[in-house]
Amino acid sequence: AQSVTQLGSHVSVSEGALVLLRCNYSSSVPPYLFWYVQYPNQGLQLLLKYTSAATLVKGINGFEAEFKKSETSFHLTKPSAHMSDAAEYFCAVSDLGSGNTGKLIFGQGTTLQVKP
Amino acid sequence: GAVVSQHPSWVICKSGTSVKIECRSLDFQATTMFWYRQFPKQSLMLMATSNEGSKATYEQGVEKDKFLINHASLTLSTLTVTSAHPEDSSFYICSASWGVDQPQHFGDGTRLSIL
Repeated sequence: AQSVTQLGSHVSVSEGALVLLRCNYSSSVPPYLFWYVQYPNQGLQLLLKYTSAATLVKGINGFEAEFKKSETSFHLTKPSAHMSDAAEYFCAVSDLGSGNTGKLIFGQGTTLQVKP
Repeated sequence: GAVVSQHPSWVICKSGTSVKIECRSLDFQATTMFWYRQFPKQSLMLMATSNEGSKATYEQGVEKDKFLINHASLTLSTLTVTSAHPEDSSFYICSASWGVDQPQHFGDGTRLSIL
């Protein structure tokens, strides 16, 4: 069975600083991994996805993530934080077990705060 | 592309009434739609998975008679909260996908408040 752990429920950075949001996964099969962002009172927006192609994945809004199989990690980074990046971020793994419904297993989320 | 529209965005109603929430994929055909519930400051909890033309698959602990899901076409799924009570108040979010190996695309959610 797949699972996702996001380390740090709350991350605070200064505007212009590096953003690093951590995600570790557990999967018995090669995983499909996703990062989503949620702004207050809105649904989730896809930032990027890993589906067994290039291990360094570039997404929208300057975000990228690197799949590291040896570390079972898929951390999200952005070189320079903007105030508009303040939001809730969710890492998710696709349930590729029996049935293969495409269900997502979400981490608990990380709140990113950007200080001026 | 990949736009999902959810309606209404906000609803307040009296205890005992039923509320219907619509989820539409506007520019793609969604073979699968998902319904989630989200409590404040928490992650998304999957309620059910629905495939067009077949019965929804509910997650353990979700009352199927309470939360009726219909997926009548490849672009529309509905969630009806029947005989709603205050404990059903929550943020409900739908998502849609055109393949099991494709990402889910989310609606903007529905804030449901039961008085």
